[in-house]
Amino acid sequence: AQKVTQTQTSISVMEKTTVTMDCVYETQDSSYFLFWYKQTASGEIVFLIRQDSYKKENATVGHYSLNFQKPKSSIGLIITATQIEDSAVYFCAMREYNNNNAPRFGAGTKLTVKP
Amino acid sequence: NSKVIQTPRYLVKGQGQKAKMRCIPEKGHPVVFWYQQNKNNEFKFLINFQNQEVLQQIDMTEKRFSAECPSNSPCSLEIQSSEAGDSALYLCASSLPRDSANTEVFFGKGTRLTVV
Repeated sequence: AQKVTQTQTSISVMEKTTVTMDCVYETQDSSYFLFWYKQTASGEIVFLIRQDSYKKENATVGHYSLNFQKPKSSIGLIITATQIEDSAVYFCAMREYNNNNAPRFGAGTKLTVKP
Repeated sequence: NSKVIQTPRYLVKGQGQKAKMRCIPEKGHPVVFWYQQNKNNEFKFLINFQNQEVLQQIDMTEKRFSAECPSNSPCSLEIQSSEAGDSALYLCASSLPRDSANTEVFFGKGTRLTVV
Protein backbone atom coordinates (compact mmCIF):
# COMPACT_ATOMS: atom_id res chain seq x y z
CA ALA A 1 0.00 0.00 0.00
CA GLN A 2 1.20 3.49 -0.70
CA LYS A 3 1.87 5.92 2.11
CA VAL A 4 3.31 9.42 2.34
CA THR A 5 4.58 10.85 5.62
CA GLN A 6 5.49 14.41 6.51
CA THR A 7 6.64 14.59 10.09
CA GLN A 8 7.18 18.34 10.34
CA THR A 9 3.90 19.96 11.31
CA SER A 10 5.18 23.52 11.07
CA ILE A 11 8.37 25.42 10.33
CA SER A 12 9.19 29.07 10.85
CA VAL A 13 12.10 30.77 9.08
CA MET A 14 13.38 34.25 8.46
CA GLU A 15 12.98 35.78 5.04
CA LYS A 16 15.77 35.16 2.50
CA THR A 17 16.98 32.00 4.22
CA THR A 18 16.84 28.39 2.96
CA VAL A 19 14.35 25.88 4.30
CA THR A 20 14.08 22.13 3.84
CA MET A 21 10.87 20.16 4.28
CA ASP A 22 10.97 16.41 4.74
CA CYS A 23 8.86 13.68 3.19
CA VAL A 24 9.18 9.90 3.15
CA TYR A 25 7.03 7.51 1.17
CA GLU A 26 6.19 3.84 0.86
CA THR A 27 5.31 2.04 -2.33
CA GLN A 28 5.50 -1.42 -3.86
CA ASP A 29 5.65 0.01 -7.35
CA SER A 30 9.01 0.11 -9.11
CA SER A 31 8.06 3.30 -10.93
CA TYR A 32 6.41 6.29 -9.35
CA PHE A 33 6.22 10.04 -9.40
CA LEU A 34 6.73 12.39 -6.48
CA PHE A 35 5.29 15.87 -6.25
CA TRP A 36 5.24 18.89 -4.03
CA TYR A 37 2.32 21.27 -3.84
CA LYS A 38 1.58 24.32 -1.79
CA GLN A 39 -1.78 25.43 -0.45
CA THR A 40 -2.19 29.13 0.09
CA ALA A 41 -4.29 30.82 2.73
CA SER A 42 -7.14 31.09 0.24
CA GLY A 43 -7.15 27.30 -0.11
CA GLU A 44 -5.75 27.23 -3.63
CA ILE A 45 -3.42 24.27 -4.28
CA VAL A 46 -0.53 24.97 -6.61
CA PHE A 47 1.74 22.37 -8.20
CA LEU A 48 5.40 23.20 -7.59
CA ILE A 49 7.76 20.46 -8.75
CA ARG A 50 7.97 16.79 -9.74
CA GLN A 51 10.56 14.03 -9.43
CA ASP A 52 10.32 10.85 -11.50
CA SER A 53 11.61 7.78 -9.65
CA TYR A 54 13.81 6.64 -12.53
CA LYS A 55 15.69 9.95 -12.70
CA LYS A 56 18.82 10.28 -10.60
CA GLU A 57 19.17 14.01 -11.04
CA ASN A 58 17.31 16.15 -8.51
CA ALA A 59 14.60 18.31 -10.04
CA THR A 60 14.87 22.10 -9.83
CA VAL A 61 12.28 24.74 -10.72
CA GLY A 62 12.99 28.35 -9.87
CA HIS A 63 13.84 28.59 -6.19
CA TYR A 64 12.46 25.11 -5.50
CA SER A 65 14.67 22.04 -5.64
CA LEU A 66 14.38 18.46 -4.47
CA ASN A 67 16.64 16.19 -2.49
CA PHE A 68 15.70 12.74 -3.80
CA GLN A 69 17.23 9.88 -1.81
CA LYS A 70 15.71 6.78 -3.34
CA PRO A 71 17.34 4.22 -1.00
CA LYS A 72 15.78 6.09 1.92
CA SER A 73 12.43 6.61 0.13
CA SER A 74 12.84 10.29 0.84
CA ILE A 75 11.98 13.38 -1.18
CA GLY A 76 12.83 16.64 0.54
CA LEU A 77 11.78 20.05 -0.77
CA ILE A 78 14.34 22.84 -0.55
CA ILE A 79 13.28 26.45 -0.92
CA THR A 80 16.12 28.93 -1.26
CA ALA A 81 15.90 32.68 -0.70
CA THR A 82 12.50 32.36 0.95
CA GLN A 83 10.00 35.18 0.59
CA ILE A 84 7.06 36.20 2.73
CA GLU A 85 4.71 34.93 0.06
CA ASP A 86 6.17 31.43 0.39
CA SER A 87 4.20 31.15 3.62
CA ALA A 88 1.74 28.32 2.97
CA VAL A 89 1.10 24.67 3.72
CA TYR A 90 3.28 22.36 1.66
CA PHE A 91 2.18 18.88 0.67
CA CYS A 92 4.22 16.00 -0.63
CA ALA A 93 2.43 13.49 -2.89
CA MET A 94 3.15 10.28 -4.75
CA ARG A 95 1.53 8.71 -7.78
CA GLU A 96 2.32 5.16 -8.81
CA TYR A 97 2.94 4.31 -12.44
CA ASN A 98 1.69 0.74 -12.61
CA ASN A 99 -1.81 1.13 -11.25
CA ASN A 100 -4.71 3.56 -11.23
CA ASN A 101 -4.32 4.54 -7.60
CA ALA A 102 -4.93 8.23 -7.08
CA PRO A 103 -2.01 10.32 -5.83
CA ARG A 104 -1.54 9.95 -2.08
CA PHE A 105 -0.79 13.09 -0.07
CA GLY A 106 1.10 13.70 3.13
CA ALA A 107 -0.38 15.61 6.05
CA GLY A 108 1.34 18.84 5.11
CA THR A 109 3.94 21.16 6.64
CA LYS A 110 2.96 24.72 7.46
CA LEU A 111 5.72 27.14 6.53
CA THR A 112 5.81 30.63 8.00
CA VAL A 113 8.34 33.07 6.56
CA LYS A 114 8.99 36.04 8.84
CA PRO A 115 10.34 39.44 7.74
CA ASN B 1 -3.30 29.69 -12.34
CA SER B 2 -5.52 26.66 -12.05
CA LYS B 3 -7.43 25.72 -15.19
CA VAL B 4 -9.69 23.34 -13.32
CA ILE B 5 -12.97 25.08 -12.64
CA GLN B 6 -15.05 24.16 -9.64
CA THR B 7 -18.47 25.51 -8.78
CA PRO B 8 -19.82 26.65 -6.46
CA ARG B 9 -17.00 27.90 -4.25
CA TYR B 10 -19.18 27.73 -1.17
CA LEU B 11 -22.17 25.53 -0.40
CA VAL B 12 -24.31 25.51 2.72
CA LYS B 13 -26.77 22.67 3.26
CA GLY B 14 -28.94 21.39 6.04
CA GLN B 15 -28.56 17.87 7.32
CA GLY B 16 -30.32 15.43 5.05
CA GLN B 17 -30.23 17.75 2.05
CA LYS B 18 -28.56 16.98 -1.24
CA ALA B 19 -25.33 18.78 -2.02
CA LYS B 20 -24.04 18.92 -5.57
CA MET B 21 -20.79 20.36 -6.82
CA ARG B 22 -19.33 20.54 -10.30
CA CYS B 23 -15.95 20.44 -11.93
CA ILE B 24 -14.65 21.22 -15.38
CA PRO B 25 -11.24 19.56 -15.80
CA GLU B 26 -8.38 21.20 -17.60
CA LYS B 27 -8.79 20.88 -21.35
CA GLY B 28 -7.18 17.70 -22.63
CA HIS B 29 -7.10 16.00 -19.24
CA PRO B 30 -9.05 12.72 -19.32
CA VAL B 31 -8.40 11.80 -15.68
CA VAL B 32 -10.42 13.44 -12.91
CA PHE B 33 -10.07 12.98 -9.15
CA TRP B 34 -12.25 14.04 -6.25
CA TYR B 35 -10.74 14.51 -2.82
CA GLN B 36 -12.19 15.62 0.48
CA GLN B 37 -9.89 17.78 2.61
CA ASN B 38 -10.81 18.03 6.28
CA LYS B 39 -10.00 20.71 8.85
CA ASN B 40 -6.71 18.97 9.62
CA ASN B 41 -5.66 19.38 5.97
CA GLU B 42 -5.85 15.65 5.38
CA PHE B 43 -6.68 14.57 1.84
CA LYS B 44 -9.17 11.77 1.50
CA PHE B 45 -9.53 10.25 -1.95
CA LEU B 46 -13.16 9.73 -3.00
CA ILE B 47 -13.32 8.69 -6.64
CA ASN B 48 -11.52 9.03 -9.93
CA PHE B 49 -12.49 8.77 -13.57
CA GLN B 50 -10.77 8.33 -16.86
CA ASN B 51 -13.04 9.86 -19.45
CA GLN B 52 -16.48 8.68 -18.32
CA GLU B 53 -15.33 5.49 -16.63
CA VAL B 54 -14.86 5.10 -12.87
CA LEU B 55 -11.35 3.85 -12.11
CA GLN B 56 -11.55 3.64 -8.34
CA GLN B 57 -13.81 4.76 -5.54
CA ILE B 58 -13.93 4.30 -1.79
CA ASP B 59 -16.78 2.73 0.13
CA MET B 60 -18.18 6.08 1.26
CA THR B 61 -18.54 7.13 -2.32
CA GLU B 62 -20.38 3.95 -3.15
CA LYS B 63 -23.09 4.63 -0.59
CA ARG B 64 -24.12 8.25 -0.01
CA PHE B 65 -21.98 9.88 -2.62
CA SER B 66 -22.54 9.73 -6.35
CA ALA B 67 -20.32 11.10 -9.06
CA GLU B 68 -20.15 11.19 -12.81
CA CYS B 69 -18.11 12.65 -15.63
CA PRO B 70 -20.38 12.69 -18.69
CA SER B 71 -18.87 13.54 -22.04
CA ASN B 72 -19.19 17.20 -23.01
CA SER B 73 -20.56 18.15 -19.58
CA PRO B 74 -18.99 19.07 -16.26
CA CYS B 75 -18.10 16.31 -13.84
CA SER B 76 -20.16 16.30 -10.66
CA LEU B 77 -20.07 15.00 -7.12
CA GLU B 78 -23.31 14.77 -5.18
CA ILE B 79 -23.97 13.86 -1.60
CA GLN B 80 -27.44 12.37 -1.40
CA SER B 81 -28.11 13.12 2.25
CA SER B 82 -25.64 15.51 3.83
CA GLU B 83 -24.31 14.89 7.32
CA ALA B 84 -22.41 17.24 9.62
CA GLY B 85 -19.28 15.16 9.11
CA ASP B 86 -19.37 15.93 5.40
CA SER B 87 -18.41 19.54 6.05
CA ALA B 88 -15.08 19.91 4.27
CA LEU B 89 -13.28 21.30 1.24
CA TYR B 90 -14.05 19.19 -1.81
CA LEU B 91 -11.26 19.29 -4.34
CA CYS B 92 -11.43 18.29 -7.96
CA ALA B 93 -8.21 17.64 -9.82
CA SER B 94 -7.37 16.58 -13.34
CA SER B 95 -4.39 15.13 -15.12
CA LEU B 96 -3.08 13.31 -18.12
CA PRO B 97 -3.00 9.50 -17.82
CA ARG B 98 -0.39 8.06 -15.45
CA ASP B 99 1.68 6.71 -18.35
CA SER B 100 2.05 10.08 -20.02
CA ALA B 101 5.07 12.36 -19.89
CA ASN B 102 3.47 14.73 -17.39
CA THR B 103 1.74 13.03 -14.50
CA GLU B 104 1.11 15.83 -12.05
CA VAL B 105 -2.46 16.61 -11.10
CA PHE B 106 -3.86 20.11 -11.13
CA PHE B 107 -6.45 21.23 -8.64
CA GLY B 108 -9.44 23.48 -8.80
CA LYS B 109 -10.05 26.01 -6.05
CA GLY B 110 -12.44 23.68 -4.31
CA THR B 111 -16.00 23.76 -3.05
CA ARG B 112 -16.27 24.41 0.67
CA LEU B 113 -19.29 22.55 1.97
CA THR B 114 -20.81 23.44 5.31
CA VAL B 115 -23.56 21.22 6.64
CA VAL B 116 -25.58 22.95 9.34
